[in-house]
Amino acid sequence: DAGVTQSPTHLIKTRGQQVTLRCSPKSGHDTVSWYQQALGQGPQFIFQYYEEEERQRGNFPDRFSGHQFPNYSSELNVNALLLGDSALYLCASSFGGRADNEQFFGPGTRLTVL
Amino acid sequence: AQKITQTQPGMFVQEKEAVTLDCTYDTSDPSYGLFWYKQPSSGEMIFLIYQGSYDQQNATEGRYSLNFQKARKSANLVISASQLGDSAMYFCAMREYMYSGGGADGLTFGKGTHLIIQP
Repeated sequence: DAGVTQSPTHLIKTRGQQVTLRCSPKSGHDTVSWYQQALGQGPQFIFQYYEEEERQRGNFPDRFSGHQFPNYSSELNVNALLLGDSALYLCASSFGGRADNEQFFGPGTRLTVL
Repeated sequence: AQKITQTQPGMFVQEKEAVTLDCTYDTSDPSYGLFWYKQPSSGEMIFLIYQGSYDQQNATEGRYSLNFQKARKSANLVISASQLGDSAMYFCAMREYMYSGGGADGLTFGKGTHLIIQP
């Protein structure tokens, strides 16, 4: 049973560029959440997708956008990259509808913006 | 105000000793959940334990237990008989339930505690 997978593992971009990160949820999960983890900090919630719609959003600008596909996989897009966007981007999946549902995390994509 | 506060940036503990990692939280939502995650140097977040705000008993999972003191808004993680492999970052997180049905909502994390187990 495959867990949460993310691609790519590492990515280097320059300021002003755009980037797309991908996530495949754990089998049986229908909800995907994205988090940004800066060096030495805890993860910060970006947004969550359920039934192909953004259900909840954290305090991130519109440069951060996402999409969920019918197979529940998801993409995170970041436009007009800033140096401060350098971080580990974590995807987490869960099964919607349960109050105590655990979020399973993927290994992350490390984005470096030069 | 910080929703999740972890006051111990780093801890050194002798192998086989028990260790307590502190976590306090702030919420006005009567329905919430508290989570602890472990993050090794590889970066992947590993779920350890969950406590619901209405749970009457403290959660336990193997060597992990959660000391839940609701009135103090405290949710400390206790690791018994620590092992070298326990060395990692530990994060406390909270979910506040927006929907009456308890939908899956985003987690708010603390800044973490770096635990180092010494032989």
